[in-house]
Amino acid sequence: SYELTQPPSVSVSPGQTATITCSGDKLGDRYVCWFQQKPGQSPVLVIFQDNKRPSGVPERFSGSNSGNTATLTISGTQAMDEADYYCQAWDSGTAVFGGGTRLTVL
Amino acid sequence: EVQLVESGGDWVQPGGSLRLSCAASGFMFSDYWMSWVRQAPGKGLEWVANIKEDGSEKNDVDSVKGRFTISRDNAKNSLYLQMDSLSAEDTAVYFCAREKAYCTSTSCYLPGAFDIWGQGTLVTVSS
Repeated sequence: SYELTQPPSVSVSPGQTATITCSGDKLGDRYVCWFQQKPGQSPVLVIFQDNKRPSGVPERFSGSNSGNTATLTISGTQAMDEADYYCQAWDSGTAVFGGGTRLTVL
Repeated sequence: EVQLVESGGDWVQPGGSLRLSCAASGFMFSDYWMSWVRQAPGKGLEWVANIKEDGSEKNDVDSVKGRFTISRDNAKNSLYLQMDSLSAEDTAVYFCAREKAYCTSTSCYLPGAFDIWGQGTLVTVSS
């Protein structure tokens, strides 16, 4: 079965750039989404189709996908961005999520 | 307002059954594929199943095949998940989610992105 691998945790200082990676075999051949989930809340779509932002998502969120790695970049990270982030792709009609990355802003 | 509201979560003994519901509002429910996604306590997201706009096509993850059945009633703007032969491993918050097609300048593709999520309903399987 297809697998997506994320680092368990990433730390960033306020105002700096946070980078969260998601790796999978030939991931660049698939569209990737990214979700933000804060404690006790539902996931929120922040990036879809590799690099598109839904309306209402701040411009500091951006995405890329090439080769075996997709990347979520948060520029000028704010304290409110502290959350769990999940990547997701489709494989043969089934959705696959990465294990999630806890982003700490300190 | 576009909204999904799940209900039906409860405590159930191993081997038992439960039916979850998801009420949609604020959009044309019959125009969208819909999914169920679950999250075990303290764990990550796991996709469970999805269903085509008219209910004619369904997919599910191997771990629930033969036990869970996804369905929908477009007249009632509702999505369902019938869960049978439940085990402790099924304990989770269950979310329903709308699938938005991926579109380029020339075409749109499904499956797409989970763009709208409900608040979730908790299913606890324990003796």
